[in-house]
Amino acid sequence: NAGVTQTPKFQVLKTGQSMTLQCAQDMNHEYMSWYRQDPGMGLRLIHYSVGAGITDQGEVPNGYNVSRSTTEDFPLRLLSAAPSQTSVYFCATRPRRGREQYFGPGTRLTVT
Amino acid sequence: KQEVTQIPAALSVPEGENLVLNCSFTDSAIYNLQWFRQDPGKGLTSLLLIQSSQREQTSGRLNASLDKSSGRSTLYIAASQPGDSATYLCAVYRSGSEKLVFGKGMKLTVNP
Repeated sequence: NAGVTQTPKFQVLKTGQSMTLQCAQDMNHEYMSWYRQDPGMGLRLIHYSVGAGITDQGEVPNGYNVSRSTTEDFPLRLLSAAPSQTSVYFCATRPRRGREQYFGPGTRLTVT
Repeated sequence: KQEVTQIPAALSVPEGENLVLNCSFTDSAIYNLQWFRQDPGKGLTSLLLIQSSQREQTSGRLNASLDKSSGRSTLYIAASQPGDSATYLCAVYRSGSEKLVFGKGMKLTVNP
């Protein structure tokens, strides 16, 4: 089992460009989430999904878009990148019961 | 609003010491509390999960306790080793919320 995988590991974007961060899991978990980690701010929830076809906003959703067409995949789209979106992005999954979270290795994004 | 605090932000100790890491939270209406480890440039690894109905959990040299009424959790590391050097984060799930609220972490350095 690969667990939670994220691609790419690193990305540099120019302001205004768009891109998609990929997250995939093979644990058959219903719940998936995206967090960003910034120095001094800790980890903050961006968007989450409780199952295929269902998504909701977290604490810092502006500038990001998500959709969930399958149980396995939960991509995060940056519509028009801004320097404030420079961060490390983590995808997390959990089963319906128990709520233990499993995190991916992260994507380090720099927006210039 | 749930806030999670970890003090101190950093700790440096000689190898072999028994350690206590502290985590406090402001809202006792939690579903569970999870301790993570994060190595530099890596993702989060789950160490222990304590459900709100439990008082403690143990895994190897790690023991985590939970006191909901006082809003506190401690992570006990026995006989610390240089390989324990990492940042340790605690996070709580509030009942009825999908958001995992993180502390800012404590950077542990164990010197040989």
